[in-house]
Amino acid sequence: KAGVTQTPRYLIKTRGQQVTLSCSPISGHRSVSWYQQTPGQGLQFLFEYFSETQRNKGNFPGRFSGRQFSNSRSEMNVSTLELGDSALYLCASRAGGGSSYEQYFGPGTRLTVT
Amino acid sequence: DQQVKQNSPSLSVQEGRISILNCDYTNSMFDYFLWYKKYPAEGPTFLISISSIKDKNEDGRFTVFLNKSAKHLSLHIVPSQPGDSAVYFCAASALNAGNMLTFGGGTRLMVKP
Repeated sequence: KAGVTQTPRYLIKTRGQQVTLSCSPISGHRSVSWYQQTPGQGLQFLFEYFSETQRNKGNFPGRFSGRQFSNSRSEMNVSTLELGDSALYLCASRAGGGSSYEQYFGPGTRLTVT
Repeated sequence: DQQVKQNSPSLSVQEGRISILNCDYTNSMFDYFLWYKKYPAEGPTFLISISSIKDKNEDGRFTVFLNKSAKHLSLHIVPSQPGDSAVYFCAASALNAGNMLTFGGGTRLMVKP
């Protein structure tokens, strides 16, 4: 099975712009979660989607949003970019259901805000 | 308030010896724990997990131990290999938090040949 894919891998944006990142989960996985990794805050949970519904949300401002499509692919959007949004954005997929919590991560999108 | 802590930012071990990475947590609602390995510019790779109903789980060279009373878990790698050099993250999940993983700050493991 192909792993989790994320596009683009690298992105440079200017303050005030918006950005959309894309994630394709492992085939058959219905849950997609997004995480932000920064040197100062480490890996932090953004939100999780399951069957096109947001199930959980981390402690991030409303500028961060996401959605999931019927094929389980997910996008996250960040509006009005700030310098502090520069980070590695990671997407993780999980089969969903059952008692297994293993999530499988994609390679990430490195966002640089200038 | 860090709910998951990895107090050692780095660890250096000789090839062939045991590597022991530690993790402490404060939230007693956590009921599932995972270890991930991460190389620079890549996403974390799942290594091994353990449910709170167990105190040990083994997979090849990797063993995770859970001490619920101490709210402590550890990852043992035996024998350590140079390819194990990476940053290791422990993560925890709670049933009532869905799929949200709470990560520790990571420990950089260096295995010297």
